[in-house]
Amino acid sequence: QLQLQESGPGLVKPSETLSLTCTVSGGSMSSSYYYWGWIRQPPGKGLEWMGSMNYNGSAYYNPSLKSRITASVDTSKNQFSLKLSSVTAADTAVYYCARRVGCCHDYWGQGTLVTVSS
Amino acid sequence: EIVMTQSPATLSVSPGERATLSCRASQSIGNSLAWYRQRPGQAPRLLIYSASIRATGIPARFSGGGSGADFTLTISSLQSEDFAVYYCQQYHVWPPWTFGQGTKVEIK
Repeated sequence: QLQLQESGPGLVKPSETLSLTCTVSGGSMSSSYYYWGWIRQPPGKGLEWMGSMNYNGSAYYNPSLKSRITASVDTSKNQFSLKLSSVTAADTAVYYCARRVGCCHDYWGQGTLVTVSS
Repeated sequence: EIVMTQSPATLSVSPGERATLSCRASQSIGNSLAWYRQRPGQAPRLLIYSASIRATGIPARFSGGGSGADFTLTISSLQSEDFAVYYCQQYHVWPPWTFGQGTKVEIK
């Protein structure tokens, strides 16, 4: 059974860079059919797709975040990562990592709350 | 960007009763629509894709319908685990993959 687990700081200061890692276990990341990505959810609000990348570097980003977001994949460690620069309080959210196959996100991490505050 | 609008925001239903949720796209998306359920404190779970196909392991009480711009998710007999928030997601035009704002199904 595939499992995903987010890790990273729970508190980030305004204007700094948010960095999260997702560790994948129970399966391989190395298929061109799989995209590994990030979806966030501000407290009490809905879901926002942020970006995704496959193992050979093909990436898609939400245009609303494109200038601030970088995704990467490290298949040797079975991990993928997110960096979001110049954060503000509006970036406070639960961040989920997820696998996308074609249309849809079929496996998700449990989510990690990141608060942006000084 | 395609905007997805869900209605109602909250639906009050008794256990064992039927619930029907709606999702509307800002333009035609064919049948490129998925539904997810999110229980409190949990990640979303994929229920339906291609508007009407149940994902692996999803019980038959969940059914999806519609095409073009208007879609529905019907839960035929609500179980305790179904009191949750439901999201639709389009994948006709991407990026970005966009979600609706959610419908909360609560116990009446």
